[in-house]
Amino acid sequence: EAAVTQSPRNKVAVTGGKVTLSCNQTNNHNNMYWYRQDTGHGLRLIHYSYGAGSTEKGDIPDGYKASRPSQENFSLILELATPSQTSVYFCASEAGQLYFGEGSKLTVL
Amino acid sequence: GMPVEQNPPALSLYEGADSGLRCNFSTTMKSVQWFQQNHRGRLITLFYLAQGTKENGRLKSTFNSKERYSTLHIKDAQLEDSGTYFCAAPNNNRIFFGDGTQLVVKP
Repeated sequence: EAAVTQSPRNKVAVTGGKVTLSCNQTNNHNNMYWYRQDTGHGLRLIHYSYGAGSTEKGDIPDGYKASRPSQENFSLILELATPSQTSVYFCASEAGQLYFGEGSKLTVL
Repeated sequence: GMPVEQNPPALSLYEGADSGLRCNFSTTMKSVQWFQQNHRGRLITLFYLAQGTKENGRLKSTFNSKERYSTLHIKDAQLEDSGTYFCAAPNNNRIFFGDGTQLVVKP
């Protein structure tokens, strides 16, 4: 069974603070994605990656950076968190079929 | 237009009823995936199709790449089927999601 693990699962941050959301996959998939989902809405793509060392901007990249240091790990970085970034974040790996992590709930006060 | 249009946006069914959801694509997609997001927020894969039809219990999904649509049919709806259903399809090295269908199954 493909496995995608996100951490932390819950995070409370202060405005202006730095937040790093981590994602680890054991599927050996090249493609990985970060989405955010706001209440009552679908998933919006923030950043994605085609493999180690690669990061690409998705539909809503502003305010976010991404890092793919290895095949297994893909991080989403908020250098200066803002309340508008309060959301649930999902990571996924993909090789034709998407496999999602369980989500990370971020609250920025 | 949007690469993926999903409808209906919301659906209410009584237990035991049958119904269907649909995603229309603006262009030819190679595959489609259907997810259920449950009350805990977890995204559960229901189907992945590159063509044709798949069934799993009370659920059946069809993907017609040429006609640019996919359907998800729910038979004999149960309370635990409540949740939000999404379709997703790849195009130009990106994955595009529908906006979801919020399904409520009532006793």
